[in-house]
Parts: sequence; C-alpha cells; structure tokens
Amino acid sequence: EVQLVESGGDLVQPGRSLRLSCAASGFTLDDYSMHWVRQAPGKGLEWVSGISWNSGSIGYADSVKGRFTISRDNAKNSLYLQMNSLRAEDTALYYCAKDTQWDLKHPPHAFDIWGQGTMVTVSS
Amino acid sequence: DIQMTQSPSSLSASVGDRVTITCQASQDISNYLNWYQQKPGKAPKLLIYDASNLETGVPSRFSGRGSGTDFTFTISSLQPEDIATYYCQQYDNLPYTFGQGTKLEIK
Repeated sequence: EVQLVESGGDLVQPGRSLRLSCAASGFTLDDYSMHWVRQAPGKGLEWVSGISWNSGSIGYADSVKGRFTISRDNAKNSLYLQMNSLRAEDTALYYCAKDTQWDLKHPPHAFDIWGQGTMVTVSS
Repeated sequence: DIQMTQSPSSLSASVGDRVTITCQASQDISNYLNWYQQKPGKAPKLLIYDASNLETGVPSRFSGRGSGTDFTFTISSLQPEDIATYYCQQYDNLPYTFGQGTKLEIK
C-alpha cells in the first residue's frame, strides 16, 4: 500500500525548533518530488516547501523562507522539515505530499498521495 | 506569487443538483491547475489534474475545465458523500498556491 506517515509534531515555545519527518512506503521516494503543505486550524491549505527527487531544486513559501529547511534521504525513503525560529503563526497541521513529477522545475505537478498530518503548536 | 481566487467561499445545494465552483488566477497559468477535495478531519484528495483530467478512481460526476486565468470545477449530480471543502491549486510557478477553498454543504 502506498503510504506517507508524518511524525515529529509537538507543542513548542516561540523561537524554538522542531524537525518533522515523513516516512514513505509502497513506492520509491527517489522517483518523485515531495512537498510539505500546512493547514492552520479552521483555515485553508498553504504550500510550505518542495524538493525535487535529487534535492537539486528546492522552494519555500515566503512565510517560512530563511527559517525552514526541507531535506530528504532517499536511502531511508524519508522526507524532513527542519523548522527554526518558530512563531505562533506556524501553528498548523503539517502534511507531506507526493508529487507526480520527479523534478520541481518541470511540469506537470499534482499531489497524488498525502499523509495524515502531524500537528505543530507554537505557544508559550 | 500567483494568487488563486475561488468563488463562492461556501455553497449549499441539494442532492442531485449541479454544482459549479470557479477559480481565477492572477496571471496566465495555462492549464497548470489541480482540484482537491478535503473531507472534515481528512487529508486532501486529488480529484482533477491539469485542469480537466480525472484522477484514477474518481467518479465521473466530477469534472474540470478552463485555461489561462479562468477555471471551473463541476459536480454534475451532487451526492451526500461530496460534502467537503474543495481547493484549486496552481503549479505554474513556485510557490504552488491554493485557492482559499469552497465549503460545500447539503441543503
């Protein structure tokens, strides 16, 4: 079964760091670009970051640029999101999502597999 | 960044109704648009890719069309299980922005 499972979400204080993980199974991670998408409570979807199959292309939303770092370990079939200098507005359910495309800079793109999400709460 | 504007933001319709949601891009995105369905407490699900292609396993009552800046998503005959929030997403340029969502309810 094709599956993505996120972990690492927690309650943290503003200014602290957190690392999210996403474990893939049922498919070969290094054939695809991968993404993080977040959803604040009661709000819509916000694309956070994406990474191409070989980490050669990476993109970030302006809201997280300079604070968050996406990475992947294809040998471990895993995707990561290092989140530093966390703010209250980063509070959200974080989903990892598989792209249908291998390279971030070449269309088309569609997020065809999603995890169940991991909750990050930033509060003092 | 490309802004995606969906309308309406919420919609109430009866079972069997034809439902249409629109999505407008702030610039030409060709057909680089997807539609997702998100049921309460669940992850989003891809329904339509490249503006008009139905994802495998998705019922044929769902359809999409459009190119350039104006797109529509249609449910030809609303079913009770279609209650969800629907999002459009552009992938012409990073960041791959989503519309604000359309919450669909049964009347």
